[in-house]
Amino acid sequence: GAVVSQHPSWVICKSGTSVKIECRSLDFQATTMFWYRQFPKQSLMLMATSNEGSKATYEQGVEKDKFLINHASLTLSTLTVTSAHPEDSSFYICSARPGQGATYEQYFGPGTRLTVT
Amino acid sequence: DAKTTQPNSMESNEEEPVHLPCNHSTISGTDYIHWYRQLPSQGPEYVIHGLTSNVNNRMASLAIAEDRKSSTLILHRATLRDAAVYYCILRDAGESGGGADGLTFGKGTHLIIQP
Repeated sequence: GAVVSQHPSWVICKSGTSVKIECRSLDFQATTMFWYRQFPKQSLMLMATSNEGSKATYEQGVEKDKFLINHASLTLSTLTVTSAHPEDSSFYICSARPGQGATYEQYFGPGTRLTVT
Repeated sequence: DAKTTQPNSMESNEEEPVHLPCNHSTISGTDYIHWYRQLPSQGPEYVIHGLTSNVNNRMASLAIAEDRKSSTLILHRATLRDAAVYYCILRDAGESGGGADGLTFGKGTHLIIQP
């Protein structure tokens, strides 16, 4: 199956600093990638849809100025958590799909665990 | 996307079949039924999907009720590595062949495998 990678797998940062997370589709091109967040013992929640060559679409309640998304190419999307605070500590997961439409499955990255101290 | 209902948890023994149910009574004619699973501390993994007919792949089988208001994910011979949270998700293809949105995850079923 298709592979999606994320880097880093975990990161610890101090409050007020920014952190960038990379998401790459390794063996397919993805015009659309998705970013999710998962708090402990909770389900995944969609944060935003990353579109290659255009602005990301954010879900209600997600601050676009805090979570900056850049879809630089057909295989790379980045999520930057700006001015991170302890409440941003979470498991961030990206996904990508090799085609459009509900018949295509999504491939998920292994996730990035962010801890803000 | 239409809503799905799954049991919070299920328990099974290793090397026995597991049947994970999902109810989706408000499913529309263009909704695909997708199953994903998430192992501890990992990203979700695609398992299987179908529309009307039963589906088989190397990981599992998907049995879809004739009225499509429910479905069952079947793991034919569970192993300890199958212990995960299993999510049943409906994806609406729609007239535009959309499904451009991300997935909406419910709480899923926490599958426990006993050795």
